[in-house]
Amino acid sequence: AQTIHQWPVAEIKAVGSPLSLGCTIKGKSSPNLYWYWQATGGTLQQLFYSITVGQVESVVQLNLSASRPKDDQFILSTEKLLLSHSGFYLCAWSMLGDNQDTQYFGPGTRLLVL
Amino acid sequence: TQTVSQSDAHVTVFEGDSVELRCNYSYGGSIYLSWYIQHHGRGLQFLLKYYSGNPVVQGVNGFEAEFSKSDSSFHLRKASVHWSDSAVYFCAVSPMNQGGSAKLIFGEGTKLTVSS
Repeated sequence: AQTIHQWPVAEIKAVGSPLSLGCTIKGKSSPNLYWYWQATGGTLQQLFYSITVGQVESVVQLNLSASRPKDDQFILSTEKLLLSHSGFYLCAWSMLGDNQDTQYFGPGTRLLVL
Repeated sequence: TQTVSQSDAHVTVFEGDSVELRCNYSYGGSIYLSWYIQHHGRGLQFLLKYYSGNPVVQGVNGFEAEFSKSDSSFHLRKASVHWSDSAVYFCAVSPMNQGGSAKLIFGEGTKLTVSS
């Protein structure tokens, strides 16, 4: 069975500090991977997606970057946090040809920037 | 431009009642339509998806949704809700496969509260 793990569970960070959020998928080979951001009480906005190791496409940057260093790992980062980065970050995966690209989400990381 | 609209921000029903959560979309091409559920503070769980065929699709936990091309709608229904169905429900549109990625565009969400 596939599992998706995100770390950390939650973070409180200062404005201007760096950030790194991680996502790991186990039980699936070569998944498509996605990062989403959700403002408190709001909808989800797709930030990045990756269909293979080393390749990341930006949908909406929000002064963030993403990398895929391994087949099962997706990292979201920034060197300098803004107050507007606060929210809930969700990682998701899908497989081409598997139920028409249904996306399955991780538990999320809650970020508060002060 | 693709858009997804969920007209009801909040819906409150009693346990055992039926419920319909509304979703309307605007998109010119072929799409997939999905519903997800988000319990408080959690990630999203996939409920169901429509891409072709029978316009009524069955999902988990007794949920179903009906696609209507003429109304540009994909409303979610449940015949008898349970208190554990209290959550935020998101409708999402995905343009049919574009070169290996699945872009999901979410509606604003509808918060369902089930009272006992």
